[in-house]
Amino acid sequence: EIVLTQSPATLSLSPGERATLSCRASQSVSTYLAWYQQKPGQAPRLLIYDASNRATGIPARFSGSGSGTDFTLTISRLEPEDFAVYYCQQRNKWPPLTFGGGTKVEIK
Amino acid sequence: EVQLVESGGGLEQPGGSLRLSCAASGFTFSSYGMHWVRQAPGKGLEWVSYISSSSSAMYFADSVEGRFTISRDNAKNSLYLQMNSLRAEDTAVYKCARDGHYGSAVFDIWGQGTMVTVSS
Repeated sequence: EIVLTQSPATLSLSPGERATLSCRASQSVSTYLAWYQQKPGQAPRLLIYDASNRATGIPARFSGSGSGTDFTLTISRLEPEDFAVYYCQQRNKWPPLTFGGGTKVEIK
Repeated sequence: EVQLVESGGGLEQPGGSLRLSCAASGFTFSSYGMHWVRQAPGKGLEWVSYISSSSSAMYFADSVEGRFTISRDNAKNSLYLQMNSLRAEDTAVYKCARDGHYGSAVFDIWGQGTMVTVSS
């Protein structure tokens, strides 16, 4: 099973600041990594697939990068609606599909 | 509107059974693989099971293998999860998710989920 480790667990930032979230895989997942955003009481929303491709309707301030074992989700300038929990997920080797533990982006 | 709506959750005793349903609308259900993903209270996301569009392939997490079964009825645009021999650790919100629009095993549409509580 591929283990995904996200860091930091919590990121405290102000609106307008840049957010950098990390996801590290226990073995290579090539570029088969996705990022999701989840707000309390809501379903997750797909942001990025295959490491760097934005899903339809996702604002350009969200970008993804990386390959192999190290990946980054960057939010260039935080908007109030961006404060949420973010999960990475790999699909390179499954079953099982695996998710990271999440990074909470909170208002400082 | 593309939508997934889960139902069937509730309170069940350890060792009991529940059947969850996921009703799909707004897209050609029979063209997509589907997944169940669960989230324990205050915890992260855990993949549970997958079924291909034609039901020819099914996969399960080790934690539910042998206890849960997945099925679908393409004529009814519905996905199901039969949960047997329930344990306290199965307590979670169960969400169905669509697969395949952006590639296999990328979840592009999610339901809000249905809560399953296993407790005596």
